[in-house]
Amino acid sequence: GEDVEQSLFLSVREGDSSVINCTYTDSSSTYLYWYKQEPGAGLQLLTYIFSNMDMKQDQRLTVLLNKKDKHLSLRIADTQTGDSAIYFCAETSPEYGNKLVFGAGTILRVKS
Amino acid sequence: DGGITQSPKYLFRKEGQNVTLSCEQNLNHDAMYWYRQDPGQGLRLIYYSQIVNDFQKGDIAEGYSVSREKKESFPLTVTSAQKNPTAFYLCASSRGLAGGELFFGEGSRLTVL
Repeated sequence: GEDVEQSLFLSVREGDSSVINCTYTDSSSTYLYWYKQEPGAGLQLLTYIFSNMDMKQDQRLTVLLNKKDKHLSLRIADTQTGDSAIYFCAETSPEYGNKLVFGAGTILRVKS
Repeated sequence: DGGITQSPKYLFRKEGQNVTLSCEQNLNHDAMYWYRQDPGQGLRLIYYSQIVNDFQKGDIAEGYSVSREKKESFPLTVTSAQKNPTAFYLCASSRGLAGGELFFGEGSRLTVL
C-alpha cells in the first residue's frame, strides 16, 4: 500500500549539516521528490531523484537513495536560518496511477 | 509570470454553509489537484483532474466537490457534509499526471466557526 514515513521534527544549529530521512513502501517507485514548505505558503520542489540513481547533488543539497531498504535522505550542508521549513518526501509510481504520495513532513528548525 | 493563484487566502464560515475555494493557473497545465493539509498528517489528495470536464476522487473526497469547465480553473467546494472542514487547502498543477513536478498555490486557510 501507499505509505511514506518521515520523522516529524529536526533541530540543528546554523552552519551544521541537516539530514532528513524518509522511508517508502513501493519498490516500483519511479521518482522520489523533496519539497519545501515555508510557513503559510505552498510547497516548492527542492530536488528529485530517479529510482535508478543512488545519489544526486545540487549545491548544498545531497539526496541519497537506498533502494534495497527503500530509504531516501536529504542532506543540507551549512544549514542556514532560511532553511527552516517543513520538508516533504514524496514518491510517484505506476501503482498509484503516477500520483504523488506525500509523507507527513519533517519540521526543520535552525537555531542561530 | 506564470503560476497558480488561490483565493481567498483566509476564509471563515459558519457550520452548515458551503464555501468555494478558487484555483486558477496560467501555466497551460493539463492536470490539477486539490490537497488538504492538517498538522502532522502531511498532504492528502481530495480530487484531481487530468483534463477539462473530467475529474477523479482522491483519498478523502467525501464532503467535497469540484468542477473543471476550463483548463485554467479548478474550484473546490467544501460542503456542509464535510465533518471537519477546518484545514489548509492547497491547489497544484502539473503538465500531466505521469509524475513530474507539481506547482503549488499559496494555499487557503478555512476556519469553521
